[in-house]
Amino acid sequence: GAVVSQHPSRVICKSGTSVKIECRSLDFQATTMFWYRQFPKQSLMLMATSNEGSKATYEQGVEKDKFLINHASLTLSTLTVTSAHPEDSSFYICSARDPGLNTEAFFGQGTRLTVV
Amino acid sequence: GQNIDQPTEMTATEGAIVQINCTYQTSGFNGLFWYQQHAGEAPTFLSYNVLDGLEEKGRFSSFLSRSKGYSYLLLKELQMKDSASYLCAVMDSNYQLIWGAGTKLIIKP
Repeated sequence: GAVVSQHPSRVICKSGTSVKIECRSLDFQATTMFWYRQFPKQSLMLMATSNEGSKATYEQGVEKDKFLINHASLTLSTLTVTSAHPEDSSFYICSARDPGLNTEAFFGQGTRLTVV
Repeated sequence: GQNIDQPTEMTATEGAIVQINCTYQTSGFNGLFWYQQHAGEAPTFLSYNVLDGLEEKGRFSSFLSRSKGYSYLLLKELQMKDSASYLCAVMDSNYQLIWGAGTKLIIKP
């Protein structure tokens, strides 16, 4: 299957700082990528849909000024958590689908963010 | 609204068989997926059903009935490493994935 690489896998930051998470599709061009957040023992919560060359589409309740998404190329989308607070501590996962297939989503490895 | 229902938690014995059910109500249907997620890791793809019937893949099988809005994941010859959460997801008419909350499967020796 296709490969999606997410970096970093773990990050600890201080309150008030910003953290950038990268998501790369390594062997296909992803016009659309998805960013999820998952709290312990809960399911995936879609935060936003990232579209190459245009603004991201955010789900209701997700602050677009706090969670900045940039999809500057067909293989890279970034999520920046700005002015992070302890309640932003979570597992963030990106996924992408090969646009030619309309089938399974391929997930990055996930990023465990801890804000102290 | 769109809704995916699956049991929160199930327990089974090593070597046995377990069936995890998923019912859905979505705006359109373009397939149903099952993913496995171990704690602290990203989900990994298990199966995809778009037509009615049973798809078998080794120890894992997945069944779909579109008329009933129902699917199940069948795991045979359970192994301790099968302890994980199993996520059901439906692709709607906009090709968006709608996720269930996941079923935590606990395997006991």
